[in-house]
Amino acid sequence: GIQVEQSPPDLILQEGANSTLRCNFSDSVNNLQWFHQNPWGQLINLFYIPSGTKQNGRLSATTVATERYSLLYISSSQTTDSGVYFCAVSGEAAGNKLTFGGGTRVLVKP
Amino acid sequence: DAGVIQSPRHEVTEMGQEVTLRCKPISGHNSLFWYRQTMMRGLELLIYFNNNVPIDDSGMPEDRFSAKMPNASFSTLKIQPSEPRDSAVYFCASSLALFQYFGPGTRLLVL
Repeated sequence: GIQVEQSPPDLILQEGANSTLRCNFSDSVNNLQWFHQNPWGQLINLFYIPSGTKQNGRLSATTVATERYSLLYISSSQTTDSGVYFCAVSGEAAGNKLTFGGGTRVLVKP
Repeated sequence: DAGVIQSPRHEVTEMGQEVTLRCKPISGHNSLFWYRQTMMRGLELLIYFNNNVPIDDSGMPEDRFSAKMPNASFSTLKIQPSEPRDSAVYFCASSLALFQYFGPGTRLLVL
């Protein structure tokens, strides 16, 4: 099956800093989503982005499908950005079946 | 909209007991997913349904696990008999297109 690797595994930021999270995947995808799991465990979808670039407030994401990677940018980080960020993908034959990466754990310090 | 609703939120049981987890998807969504999250294995898909029909159950760990979706607004995941290694957070998610919305999860502890 498709493999998903995220880096870095852990990230510590000072409030106000910018950061980039990376997601590499091993095969062509027709679905790529970024999720944020907050410290209470709730999973929130951030972006559906199988290709191209999207922005939502201080967050933006870019997927370069031909090179099999996606990037999530956090600008002017806030303590509420802390948590784990997951990338999840599905290949063309997989339908709705998402495979999750191992996540990037982010801690934003005040 | 209330979002995806899961119950119970927490469950503590003893090995060998039957456990039933419940999920109410977002109204109008036609796909429902059951995931399990553990420290060792991360987030993994157990089974998903389209229009109440199971499509892929290849992630169900063994015969002790079963899932049903009797109608568009309700699904159950049953573990019988439960074992300590089943301890995890179980998430239900639903979608209309490709964007999945997750419930708050059920934290299961099997002693």
